[in-house]
Amino acid sequence: GESVGLHLPTLSVQEGDNSIINCAYSNSASDYFIWYKQESGKGPQFIIDIRSNMDKRQGQRVTVLLNKTVKHLSLQIAATQPGDSAVYFCAVPHEAGTALIFGKGTTLSVSS
Amino acid sequence: DTEVTQTPKHLVMGMTNKKSLKCEQHMGHRAMYWYKQKAKKPPELMFVYSYEKLSINESVPSRFSPECPNSSLLNLHLHALQPEDSALYLCASSRQDQETQYFGPGTRLLVL
Repeated sequence: GESVGLHLPTLSVQEGDNSIINCAYSNSASDYFIWYKQESGKGPQFIIDIRSNMDKRQGQRVTVLLNKTVKHLSLQIAATQPGDSAVYFCAVPHEAGTALIFGKGTTLSVSS
Repeated sequence: DTEVTQTPKHLVMGMTNKKSLKCEQHMGHRAMYWYKQKAKKPPELMFVYSYEKLSINESVPSRFSPECPNSSLLNLHLHALQPEDSALYLCASSRQDQETQYFGPGTRLLVL
């Protein structure tokens, strides 16, 4: 069946460092990909998405890279801040198109 | 404005109670979703409404009953729940199905 996996369940960085969170997916027909940030006790917050016809998309301090050849997605956070501490999920549409399949999540801890 | 609101924020109920969770969005989105999230796990899809019609029911037990009174509102009626149903219940919406979903803050449900 379809799957979305993350390479690391936890990531610890120092304030000011750049963070990279990785995700692998199995459905090569996926049309778009999304990164969410979830802080403790809150709902997932949309960070950035990317469509399958793009390789890179930049937002404010975040960049998403998509490598369709190896079915790999990454989220880069520049100059990581303590407020970036959260669980980060990648999400990919189900083969049927409507549902999202979430990765297991990477917990990012930022120390100052 | 990408706001999805949910009420109540917290809910404690007994196994014989009937309660309802409410979700509202005013972004003109035509697809709305219910997800269930257990601690330290990713969200799992329960139901999808597209244009106020139920389009996906992910084999959810009948003690959960969704309702979409209009394009802005989504309810989840709860009856005879079990302690294992305790979780964070998340509502999301998207402009159309198969597009990026935006989540509400969730309702933290505890079944005693």
